[in-house]
Amino acid sequence: GENVEQHPSTLSVQEGDSAVIKCTYSDSASNYFPWYKQELGKRPQLIIDIRSNVGEKKDQRIAVTLNKTAKHFSLHITETQPEDSAVYFCAASNRTGANSKLTFGKGITLSVRP
Amino acid sequence: NAGVTQTPKFRVLKTGQSMTLLCAQDMNHEYMYWYRQDPGMGLRLIHYSVGEGTTAKGEVPDGYNVSRLKKQNFLLGLESAAPSQTSVYFCASSLGIPGLGSNLAKNIQYFGAGTRLSVL
Repeated sequence: GENVEQHPSTLSVQEGDSAVIKCTYSDSASNYFPWYKQELGKRPQLIIDIRSNVGEKKDQRIAVTLNKTAKHFSLHITETQPEDSAVYFCAASNRTGANSKLTFGKGITLSVRP
Repeated sequence: NAGVTQTPKFRVLKTGQSMTLLCAQDMNHEYMYWYRQDPGMGLRLIHYSVGEGTTAKGEVPDGYNVSRLKKQNFLLGLESAAPSQTSVYFCASSLGIPGLGSNLAKNIQYFGAGTRLSVL
């Protein structure tokens, strides 16, 4: 099955700097890659997602890039703010087939220092 | 429109007790999922359902059972709770397969607020 890894487990940046969070996946058939943000004590919420036929997607201060050859994808956050502090989960799935399901990474805790 | 609602929010059990966690969604979603979240382990899929009356095993199904008798509800049961089942449980639902279709927003997987379970 799919294996999704995130490294490192924690990341600390100064407010205003950029943050890059990287994920790797193992199954070359995976073709859908969402990112979820979970604030302390809250539910995970989707912030951005990408399909394998697209190399990059942007939404205001966040972007996701995908390298299918290397089987990794990254979340980029520019002009970080304290409210960006949270746990970020990446996931991957092969979206074909009725039993398609997301496999999540272990999460990265991002801390934005004021 | 409440989205995905989980009941209860907190529960403390003694080893060997049983309980049922309820997940309800009012978005007419076909797909429903149960995850557990443990420190440093991310979100691990316990069981899921691709429609009313169907269930399937996920990554960590042992010690849990599920039922999807009604489309809007997905129940997670612990028959004999163990301390290893102390965790935060999240239910999620999606209209269809996440990532499928011309509109990515249509099949987003939405999460409930979670149930914090302690087994002593």
